[in-house]
Amino acid sequence: ILNVEQSPQSLHVQEGDSTNFTCSFPSSNFYALHWYRWETAKSPEALFVMTLNGDEKKKGRISATLNTKEGYSYLYIKGSQPEDSATYLCAFVTGNQFYFGTGTSLTVIP
Amino acid sequence: ETGVTQSPTHLIKTRGQQVTLRCSSQSGHNTVSWYQQALGQGPQFIFQYYREEENGRGNFPPRFSGLQFPNYSSELNVNALELDDSALYLCASSRTSGTNEQFFGPGTRLTVL
Repeated sequence: ILNVEQSPQSLHVQEGDSTNFTCSFPSSNFYALHWYRWETAKSPEALFVMTLNGDEKKKGRISATLNTKEGYSYLYIKGSQPEDSATYLCAFVTGNQFYFGTGTSLTVIP
Repeated sequence: ETGVTQSPTHLIKTRGQQVTLRCSSQSGHNTVSWYQQALGQGPQFIFQYYREEENGRGNFPPRFSGLQFPNYSSELNVNALELDDSALYLCASSRTSGTNEQFFGPGTRLTVL
């Protein structure tokens, strides 16, 4: 069974703080790496799909980097806001199979 | 553009019964993936359908089966339900491959008693 790990499991930050979390995945048979945000009582929402080593993606205050050779991706949130509170999931894609991590639960305290 | 919908929202079944969950994909999407999320875990990939054919399968027994219809909507069938099948079942649609983002439905919460 393929292992995708996310850390930390949960995080509490003050409004305005910047934060980052990690997704670790196998360094072989890489096809793509997805990041999703999942707010309570809503559906998971795609943030980024990353396919190339060294890829960097940005959407507003959120950005992500990818290192396929060492098997990790970082998600960064700059100036956290209460509306950023959610669980952030990564998914490693190999062939036609998706392997999700257990997520990082972020709480932004006003 | 209509989003991904799932039905029913909640379902309670007893051990040994069979269940069918339904998913309507987003307009323009021909790929549907199904996931099981048990408490405290990330979504576990069950299988993916592309143009009515199974196109990838996770580590789930054969009693988990699926269908995709010509309009790209999909069903997940689970036979001989077990207590451990209690979970949130998510479907997601996308345009073809894993390099395309997935759009998730709200999920079906299945409880097996």
